[in-house]
Amino acid sequence: GAVVSQHPSRVICKSGTSVKIECRSLDFQATTMFWYRQFPKQSLMLMATSNEGSKATYEQGVEKDKFLINHASLTLSTLTVTSAHPEDSSFYICSAKEQRALYEQYFGPGTRLTVT
Amino acid sequence: QQQVKQSPQSLIVQKGGISIINCAYENTAFDYFPWYQQFPGKGPALLIAIRPDVSEKKEGRFTISFNKSAKQFSLHIMDSQPGDSATYFCAASRSYNTDKLIFGTGTRLQVFP
Repeated sequence: GAVVSQHPSRVICKSGTSVKIECRSLDFQATTMFWYRQFPKQSLMLMATSNEGSKATYEQGVEKDKFLINHASLTLSTLTVTSAHPEDSSFYICSAKEQRALYEQYFGPGTRLTVT
Repeated sequence: QQQVKQSPQSLIVQKGGISIINCAYENTAFDYFPWYQQFPGKGPALLIAIRPDVSEKKEGRFTISFNKSAKQFSLHIMDSQPGDSATYFCAASRSYNTDKLIFGTGTRLQVFP
């Protein structure tokens, strides 16, 4: 089956620093990857859609200068949280859509970010 | 019109019972309806999905019922087990914008022995 990995699984950083989260599709090529954030006991909130080789499309209200997304290859997308603050603490999840698939998205295991 | 409404918010079921979670949508352009299962601290996993051309899809103990005229779909978990205890999300997307999933608010299921 399609496997998506994320690294790191947990990260703690100090306020004002930047942190990078990687999302990889391990056994398929993903033309499109998605980044979500999820607060405790809440649903997934789409932050941005990332297409390989082009700029990410951000959802309304998501600061593109704060959440930098790069999708440099068909198997890797990165999310960089710049100048992180405690309110950025959340569970960040990526998903990937296989090149030939019409609908299915496969989710990564998530990254728990804590900003102190 | 982009919303997907999900109920109940939480559900407690006895082992062996049937768990039923309901979702409703408004956008008739939606044509893909997946259900995801999420355990604490993990990413969601695709459980089962349906397209509007069928009214029911069954995979093992999991069944999706789809009512196109009512714009509703539901997940039935037969013979619920304690290992099914998780949060379940329904979602919907459109074929001309298949990349974007619209998620329901989630249902926390607890199955007691």
